[in-house]
Parts: sequence; structure tokens; C-alpha cells
Amino acid sequence: GNSVTQMEGPVTLSEEAFLTINCTYTATGYPSLFWYVQYPGEGLQLLLKATKADDKGSNKGFEATYRKETTSFHLEKGSVQVSDSAVYFCALSAPGPFKAAGNKLTFGGGTRVLVKP
Amino acid sequence: DTAVSQTPKYLVTQMGNDKSIKCEQNLGHDTMYWYKQDSKKFLKIMFSYNNKELIINETVPNRFSPKSPDKAHLNLHINSLELGDSAVYFCASSQTTGTGFYSGNTIYFGEGSWLTVV
Repeated sequence: GNSVTQMEGPVTLSEEAFLTINCTYTATGYPSLFWYVQYPGEGLQLLLKATKADDKGSNKGFEATYRKETTSFHLEKGSVQVSDSAVYFCALSAPGPFKAAGNKLTFGGGTRVLVKP
Repeated sequence: DTAVSQTPKYLVTQMGNDKSIKCEQNLGHDTMYWYKQDSKKFLKIMFSYNNKELIINETVPNRFSPKSPDKAHLNLHINSLELGDSAVYFCASSQTTGTGFYSGNTIYFGEGSWLTVV
């Protein structure tokens, strides 16, 4: 079946540090890949996505590149801020007849990031 | 305007009670979902409806019953609540594009409903 594995947290950083959160996946076919972010006490927000190999998703200074050869979609940000403290979720949607699976997100376990001033 | 809104945001109730969570989306999407986030933040799909038709029904106790009166609304009713039902329940929606084998639709989530069973 489909699965997503991401590094366990918490990840604690100082402001302006470089952030990397590793994400690898197992899926049939060519899935679409997503990063969602959950700020404390809030819902899930889409951060970025990529739908095919070598695509780079980017938003708010975050980037992730769809690497088919390593089945990875690592999230990076060059200089984090305190406001980036949140839980980050990697997810995939595997292709299929949408009535069977095409719209279903499989999530990783989430990585909590804490940025200190 | 909130795109995907769900009520209530917080709900504390006793074991054995029956409760409902309501969800509405104003994005004009044709597909809606319920996801459950447990105490360890693990997220898993429960149900999905497309144009009021149930298309995904994961292994969920039949105490949980979704209802979609129209494609903009998806409610979740839970009977005989148990302690283990305490979780955050997220409603979500998306617009199906393409035909058949496509997986890139963005799914938009509501802010969650924090259910605590005591």
C-alpha cells in the first residue's frame, strides 16, 4: 500500500537557521506530493505541492523537489522565523480512478518544528 | 469568507452521547472528506463523498455515519461516543479534475473540530 515516512521531531532551531525535513514515500504509480502545515491550535494549510518528477513546489520561502529516483520530497527553508513553528505533514495522493483512490491523501506522521528567537 | 467551515470547533461530551459535526464549503467543490487526527497528530481519512455519493469509506466503526445533503455540505454523526473517539476531526474539500487517473487535486481543510469525550 501507499505510505509516507517523515523524520520524527521535535526539531528545534534558532531563528535564521536552515531547516530540512525529510520525507520519503512508497506508492504505486506516480503520486502527487504535498506538504501541509498546522500552526498551533489551527487547521491544516497547504504549503506546497508537486505533481510530477523533478517538479519543485515553493511557497513562503519553503521549497521541496519531487525526486522519483529516491522517492523523496524533502522540505527546506533557508532562514526560519519564530512564526514557522508548527507541525509539518508530508502527504501523497496516488493516481487511480478517483472514485477508488485518486483523491485520498496518505499522510506522514508529522514533524514538529520549534524555532527559538 | 471561510472556504471550509465546520462547527462546533470545540465539543466536550460524555461517553454514550450522540453528537454531530457539521461542515460546509463555499468553494464550489464536488468532493468532501472527513479526516481524523489522533492525539499523536496522525491523520487518516475516514470518508469521502463526491456529488453526494459515498466513494471512500475506510475502516471506521459504524457508530460514525456521514451524511451529505448536497455537495456543499458533509456532516458527521457519531453515536454512543467512546473515550477513544476523542480526536480532532477535519472536514476537507476538493474539485475533481481530469478523468480517471489523476492525483494532483489540492485538498482544502477546515479548521478542525476538537472532540473530547469524558
